[in-house]
Amino acid sequence: KNEVEQSPQNLTAQEGEFITINCSYSVGISALHWLQQHPGGGIVSLFMLSSGKKKHGRLIATINIQEKHSSLHITASHPRDSAVYICAVPHSGGGADGLTFGKGTHLIIQP
Amino acid sequence: GAGVSQTPSNKVTEKGKYVELRCDPISGHTALYWYRQSLGQGPEFLIYFQGTGAADDSGLPNDRFFAVRPEGSVSTLKIQRTERGDSAVYLCASRPGTSDTQYFGPGTRLTVL
Repeated sequence: KNEVEQSPQNLTAQEGEFITINCSYSVGISALHWLQQHPGGGIVSLFMLSSGKKKHGRLIATINIQEKHSSLHITASHPRDSAVYICAVPHSGGGADGLTFGKGTHLIIQP
Repeated sequence: GAGVSQTPSNKVTEKGKYVELRCDPISGHTALYWYRQSLGQGPEFLIYFQGTGAADDSGLPNDRFFAVRPEGSVSTLKIQRTERGDSAVYLCASRPGTSDTQYFGPGTRLTVL
C-alpha cells in the first residue's frame, strides 16, 4: 500500500510570495493528484500528472517519478489561495485505484 | 452539468443505530469511490465500485460497513451499529471511464452521539 508524506503541514505566507508544497510517496504510481479543499468545502481536483510538469494559471505541479516526489507551486500567492492542499496517489499504484491521501498542507496567505 | 451529490449533508445518530448515506455520481461515470475524512486528517479510502461490482473494498474498516451500487449509478454506504469513532465526513467521488480524475461530492457529515 502506498504511503504519502506531505510537507509542510502548515504554511503561512504573505500575499505575493512564491509557495512550494512537497509530496513524497512510497510505491511507483501511474499518476499523482493534487487537490484543494476549502474550509467546510468540498474537494476539487487541481492536477493529475504522471510525468514532468503541468501549469494552470498561477499553479504549477511537477513530478519526479524516479525520486517518487512531487511539488505544487503557487506563484504570486493571493489570500484566496488559502486552503488545504492535498497530495494523493493510487493506493496500489494503478490509475483506477482508490486514492491514498497525504494529511494535507494548510496554507494561509495573509494580505 | 450536475456534479456529484450526496445526501443527507448532515446526519446525527445515536450509538448503535443504523445509517445509510447516499451518493449520486455524475451521469455516465462508471467508477465510484467512498472515502471518509476525520477532523484534521486527509481522506481515507473505503471502497471502489466499477459498474455494479465492488472492485476493491480493502478500505472498509470492519463488517459493520457495507456499500452497494445495484444499478451501476447511485451508491449507498451502510453502517450498522454505529460507534462514536465512526463520526467523520463521508466523501463520495466518481470517475469517467476515460480518465483517472476523480470528482468529489460535498460529503455527508456523520455525527454519532
